[in-house]
Amino acid sequence: NAGVMQNPRHLVRRRGQEARLRCSPMKGHSHVYWYRQLPEEGLKFMVYLQKENIIDESGMPKERFSAEFPKEGPSILRIQQVVRGDSAAYFCASSPLLQGRDTEAFFGQGTRLTVV
Amino acid sequence: DAKTTQPPSMDCAEGRAANLPCNHSTISGNEYVYWYRQIHSQGPQYIIHGLKNNETNEMASLIITEDRKSSTLILPHATLRDTAVYYCIVRVDSGSQGNLIFGKGTKLSVKP
Repeated sequence: NAGVMQNPRHLVRRRGQEARLRCSPMKGHSHVYWYRQLPEEGLKFMVYLQKENIIDESGMPKERFSAEFPKEGPSILRIQQVVRGDSAAYFCASSPLLQGRDTEAFFGQGTRLTVV
Repeated sequence: DAKTTQPPSMDCAEGRAANLPCNHSTISGNEYVYWYRQIHSQGPQYIIHGLKNNETNEMASLIITEDRKSSTLILPHATLRDTAVYYCIVRVDSGSQGNLIFGKGTKLSVKP
């Protein structure tokens, strides 16, 4: 039973390019969450998605950032026109939907984005 | 802002119990206490959670005070591999994990 898979593990982009980060949730999980961790800081929630729906994007920057979780395929976090401040580790987590019971979130190993 | 307060760092000798405290004095009646840890450069890992009663699993024990304003995570026999940042999080049971608010956590160093 594979865990949450993120790719690439490391991504280098020049300023102004686009970054695409992929996350495949655990089998049977219908909820995906993206977090960002800046160097030497804690994780910050960005967005919560279910299949084809954005449930909570309160932590997403208003510009350049977008996320999707299509009916088929992985969840994608897209950062357009990257800047140096976007350099961070981006973690994806997934959880199942179990009515009436809280569940833990399983995290991937993260994608480390470096903007040069 | 995180609704919990944790010491920034702690040391523990290998083989000894590690007791990590967490204050959550403003916790609501329907909020759970969760613990996660992050080993260097890896994704966070769920450890344990509880509401009122003490909880134990294969990784750790969680002791919650009667007034629920604080809790302690206990690693009964710490190993070098337990060196990590430990996060105490309070959240409402919503049927699925959602917006986890991570504070700065406690950096636990297990020493030989």
